[in-house]
Amino acid sequence: KQEVTQIPAALSVPEGENLVLNCSFTDSAIYNLQWFRQDPGKGLTSLLLIQSSQREQTSGRLNASLDKSSGRSTLYIAASQPGDSATYLCAASNTNAGKSTFGDGTTLTVKP
Amino acid sequence: KAGVTQTPRYLIKTRGQQVTLSCSPISGHRSVSWYQQTPGQGLQFLFEYFSETQRNKGNFPGRFSGRQFSNSRSEMNVSTLELGDSALYLCASSSTSAGELFFGEGSRLTVL
Repeated sequence: KQEVTQIPAALSVPEGENLVLNCSFTDSAIYNLQWFRQDPGKGLTSLLLIQSSQREQTSGRLNASLDKSSGRSTLYIAASQPGDSATYLCAASNTNAGKSTFGDGTTLTVKP
Repeated sequence: KAGVTQTPRYLIKTRGQQVTLSCSPISGHRSVSWYQQTPGQGLQFLFEYFSETQRNKGNFPGRFSGRQFSNSRSEMNVSTLELGDSALYLCASSSTSAGELFFGEGSRLTVL
């Protein structure tokens, strides 16, 4: 059974700082790993998807890496901004059939 | 291109009643997944439909059911509502072999 853990649960940083969010998963036979952002009371916004065969994906100030052998993924946010404040969730999927296991998320606060 | 649309956005029910939630996926997406999000349990997978067939099912009681129509729109039903069913119900659609999930804004159910 896949289990996903995200550490830390909460993080507060000053604006402009670079930061790393961590995601660990127990079953390395994943199909893909996806990072999401969730604002309070809203749905999930897809940030990055990393396929099993890939090591990293980049989009703007975001970079996500995947290390299946160690069961870890990281989301790197460069030059953080107050607008980045949200909860960040990672989800590991063992198939492409819509079933993903989510971590509990890291709530990020970026202070001006 | 329109995103995933969920209706209703908010609803209040009393214990013992039943509720039906609707999800319209992104045009061309044939996979629809449902998730329940609560503060205590986080995001949990309910079920996934592809071409009107349930492909995956999570560990929820039989009171939770769903279906998918020929136009890929999906509904989920919860019968005999309990207080613990209060949650944000999220729908996600997916089209590609990559399995990337795109979520709607959710339906927030409050059971009194």
